[in-house]
Amino acid sequence: RKEVEQDPGPFNVPEGATVAFNCTYSNSASQSFFWYRQDCRKEPKLLMSVYSSGNEDGRFTAQLNRASQYISLLIRDSKLSDSATYLCVVSPLNTGTASKLTFGTGTRLQVTL
Amino acid sequence: EAGVTQFPSHSVIEKGQTVTLRCDPISGHDNLYWYRRVMGKEIKFLLHFVKESKQDESGMPNNRFLAERTGGTYSTLKVQPAELEDSGVYFCASSPRGIGNTIYFGEGSWLTVV
Repeated sequence: RKEVEQDPGPFNVPEGATVAFNCTYSNSASQSFFWYRQDCRKEPKLLMSVYSSGNEDGRFTAQLNRASQYISLLIRDSKLSDSATYLCVVSPLNTGTASKLTFGTGTRLQVTL
Repeated sequence: EAGVTQFPSHSVIEKGQTVTLRCDPISGHDNLYWYRRVMGKEIKFLLHFVKESKQDESGMPNNRFLAERTGGTYSTLKVQPAELEDSGVYFCASSPRGIGNTIYFGEGSWLTVV
């Protein structure tokens, strides 16, 4: 079983739609949680950290459920530029740094006109 | 300010040959990491340097892989001899020392072993 599980997609949605991605992790000792975005053949880039209380950054909302070991990302009002692969990432370290990140395989999003 | 730079961006070598990948972290970043993604799999941690010291090398797959960071600046990752299953993209990343600092990834070195 993978340490971080994600639906690989692809999710094909029209512009303006709301889309949600889910992720589960198996290591209950995980302390830090992130969503990264990766464009085709590019490097992963931090989209947002995920906090227990849930957090929002513009059109993006992340939620964490430690009891269920479940992380989600909601994108509202999708833009063409949101098309990318979204990586769910966890770390056993409660430092906020990215040492020894564990990645999911990613969920691919394609936003269309 | 320059980001994390990696060289070469692409490399095609034959099985049994040696390849050396280089990473230049962002200036002043003590932490340097190597990750890799092989075809169809997730990105996986290889190792972590703090300055010139190996902090954690638990992700290194076997002794054909050797990473160095002499002087605590740039790092190299050597694969010798390369096998077919080593094909993939090798990402280097760096971050400043301290809590709550973002990690920055390089664009990766794409390795194909034929």
